[in-house]
Amino acid sequence: QKEVEQDPGPLSVPEGAIVSLNCTYSNSAFQYFMWYRQYSRKGPELLMYTYSSGNKEDGRFTAQVDKSSKYISLFIRDSQPSDSATYLCAMCQSGGSNYKLTFGKGTLLTVNP
Amino acid sequence: NAGVTQTPKFQVLKTGQSMTLQCAQDMNHNSMYWYRQDPGMGLRLIYYSASEGTTDKGEVPNGYNVSRLNKREFSLRLESAAPSQTSVYFCASTAGTSGRGELFFGEGSRLTVL
Repeated sequence: QKEVEQDPGPLSVPEGAIVSLNCTYSNSAFQYFMWYRQYSRKGPELLMYTYSSGNKEDGRFTAQVDKSSKYISLFIRDSQPSDSATYLCAMCQSGGSNYKLTFGKGTLLTVNP
Repeated sequence: NAGVTQTPKFQVLKTGQSMTLQCAQDMNHNSMYWYRQDPGMGLRLIYYSASEGTTDKGEVPNGYNVSRLNKREFSLRLESAAPSQTSVYFCASTAGTSGRGELFFGEGSRLTVL
């Protein structure tokens, strides 16, 4: 079993829809959970960050972590065409100067006007 | 503010040729990373440098070498390029002390090996 599993999609939704993106993981030592957004032909950029379990909201974006189920989610409300991108989940065990992220393979999202 | 700058942006090589990908960051970050991104494989860590003067292998180091030239610069060298090294390469950096996970990525270097 891979450490991080992410449905690659593609996912196509109409403008204004609620989008749900998900990842599962197998390493119970993961403590830090992130979502990166990657536009076509660009590098990834950090979108959301959560530590341990719980929810975090930032505008139209909500990140959820359920450590008991080893499952993380990113919700996008009122989706916009500008949200069209690949979304990568990422996680790591601990901070400090020597940490390494494990990435999911990414989900390609298209929001249609 | 430039962030992470990679050169070149595009390169075509023949099998067996060598080349170096350059990366520089202007954010005074301690840690720097080289990833490759392939369709269906996601981002895979090649090498990283936790701090100036140190380098370590990542998940897929074979066929690559790195040099942490100074705090700003981290280069990736392909000594004898192979078609399997056709990929998009990303350099990233982070302050490396908070564990927040915020890697700052460059825009990528697209390499084709014929």
